[in-house]
Amino acid sequence: SQQGEEDPQALSIQEGENATMNCSYKTSINNLQWYRQNSGRGLVHLILIRSNEREKHSGRLRVTLDTSKKSSSLLITASRAADTASYFCATDQGNNRLAFGKGNQVVVIP
Amino acid sequence: EAGVTQSPTHLIKTRGQQATLRCSPISGHTSVYWYQQALGLGLQFLLWYDEGEERNRGNFPPRFSGRQFPNYSSELNVNALELEDSALYLCASRWTYQSSYNEQFFGPGTRLTVL
Repeated sequence: SQQGEEDPQALSIQEGENATMNCSYKTSINNLQWYRQNSGRGLVHLILIRSNEREKHSGRLRVTLDTSKKSSSLLITASRAADTASYFCATDQGNNRLAFGKGNQVVVIP
Repeated sequence: EAGVTQSPTHLIKTRGQQATLRCSPISGHTSVYWYQQALGLGLQFLLWYDEGEERNRGNFPPRFSGRQFPNYSSELNVNALELEDSALYLCASRWTYQSSYNEQFFGPGTRLTVL
């Protein structure tokens, strides 16, 4: 089954604005990860949050995790044109597999 | 440090043919994962190899197979190609014994087109 469902699917914002995307999942997890994909190429790991963490920061990225609601959000602050990409959440259920969502397409308009 | 590499970048085949895709993990990484990214379907887990053994398999038919070599590089073989096999195939690696968090490093992918 597909774990990780990002919402909204597509987001278009002006440069400098913040972008928020959400991800929900169905089962217990060890951790949740966010990846970025530029123009149908390989994925780049952005940030990992463990199941016992509620919030994590990395540069302009802020991730939250609510295990009671089985949801996570990714916030990109002060967006740049280079942030234009697809963003995927992936859940690690402890079986050495990652289950990816279908992704959010973010377009940052200069 | 060199990243994960994949070859070829693009591959065009016709229905019924076989395709072979290759992946070289980051030096020192022992685990290799394969994913299929078809249009509109997100990333689907295909196979996981570690220390030369197939450890886990996604919900794909047996005509998707692969192997991992002693140097930890890997091949994905797709037999009897069908039109719906057209997709971007991504390989990822990780060092099983270093990270318990399953952070994976991805290659640029192979774009397979089946005509």
